Amino acid sequence: EAQVTQNPRYLITVTGKKLTVTCSQNMNHEYMSWYRQDPGLGLRQIYYSMNVEVTDKGDVPEGYKVSRKEKRNFPLILESPSPNQTSLYFCASSLARTTEQYFGPGTRLTVT
Amino acid sequence: GENVEQHPSTLSVQEGDSAVIKCTYSDSASNYFPWYKQELGKRPQLIIDIRSNVGEKKDQRIAVTLNKTAKHFSLHITETQPEDSAVYFCAARLLDSWGKLQFGAGTQVVVTP
Repeated sequence: EAQVTQNPRYLITVTGKKLTVTCSQNMNHEYMSWYRQDPGLGLRQIYYSMNVEVTDKGDVPEGYKVSRKEKRNFPLILESPSPNQTSLYFCASSLARTTEQYFGPGTRLTVT
Repeated sequence: GENVEQHPSTLSVQEGDSAVIKCTYSDSASNYFPWYKQELGKRPQLIIDIRSNVGEKKDQRIAVTLNKTAKHFSLHITETQPEDSAVYFCAARLLDSWGKLQFGAGTQVVVTP
């Protein structure tokens, strides 16, 4: 089944404790992206990747890191999480820049 | 950069009536405008999209119109049903930008039987 998976789905952590949210797609998509969703703000892009080893900042990259060492994986790294990073995070992938983006199931992160 | 404004933020309609959501964008270079539907607790899913060389596109009860001159596009849902209740997001993409898909803030649509 073609899909985008994210892990973990739910995470409660404390300020400053490094964490990684994994994202994987099995559709051989070139493009992958991370978004955060906050009430009243819609979906804001954090980082995106056009292909392996090619990444760029979105609108809200501060406090996040990404890597794209393999085509199928695009992990999101929070080196030192802070409470303002409490949010719902979505990974997405698409075959090309103007084709449908397929979203993962989301990761709800709470930083205390 | 691109800025997308979406209105209204909430929309209540009676079952069977039509619903219209409007979005405006700031960058005239944008050429791709998708709409996503997000049901409660679920991931966003593409429901329809339009490109700047087309003025209108329909898919059963859903249609999207684009006015490039005025830089706005709208989602029209006809004969609404309870399963249309969801949050709808519009988005716009810059012409030469691989990654930057700018989303609106979303519209919560509630269809009451």
